[in-house]
Amino acid sequence: AQSVTQLDSQVPVFEEAPVELRCNYSSSVSVYLFWYVQYPNQGLQLLLKYLSGSTLVKGINGFEAEFNKSQTSFHLRKPSVHISDTAEYFCAVSDVSGGSYIPTFGRGTSLIVHP
Amino acid sequence: EPEVTQTPSHQVTQMGQEVILRCVPISNHLYFYWYRQILGQKVEFLVSFYNNEISEKSEIFDDQFSVERPDGSNFTLKIRSTKLEDSAMYFCASTEGGTGVYEQYFGPGTRLTVT
Repeated sequence: AQSVTQLDSQVPVFEEAPVELRCNYSSSVSVYLFWYVQYPNQGLQLLLKYLSGSTLVKGINGFEAEFNKSQTSFHLRKPSVHISDTAEYFCAVSDVSGGSYIPTFGRGTSLIVHP
Repeated sequence: EPEVTQTPSHQVTQMGQEVILRCVPISNHLYFYWYRQILGQKVEFLVSFYNNEISEKSEIFDDQFSVERPDGSNFTLKIRSTKLEDSAMYFCASTEGGTGVYEQYFGPGTRLTVT
């Protein structure tokens, strides 16, 4: 079974500053990794995913994440945030070979961008 | 762009009452899911559904819960006798395929409040 830890429940940042949202996972098998974003009153939307290949994954809205197998991390980054990036961000992991591809989600990190 | 829809957006019910949460998945998707998120906690998997039957369920999905695809478009979650601890946000999701490479498309959620 896998698990996901998002260490920061809330990350406040000023507009145009860089941001990193941290995600660590544990799993005994190979994994797929995902970041989802949830804007107010909306469903979760996929930002990016790591399936295989390059460890640096680029997603929508200028976000990127790096898969670090030795650190079991998949931190999300953006070099310059906008007010519109204010949202809840969820990291998720699913087993590649376990027969079940149902993702396990973290608790979420609330990104708050101040003007 | 096609999207998953859910109704109602907010449901208030008394303890012991039955509730039905409705979802309309994306039309060409074949796999359907229900998740829940208790306030401040993780998004938790409840059940997946394929080919008119449950393909996987979590330990949360006990006998009080049931799912149904009553027609070609709707996918419902029924809670037979609600408890206070069922208060949560319930998300429906759908995918084209059943492996982890397929993106899950989420609906905006139904907030269930049990009093």
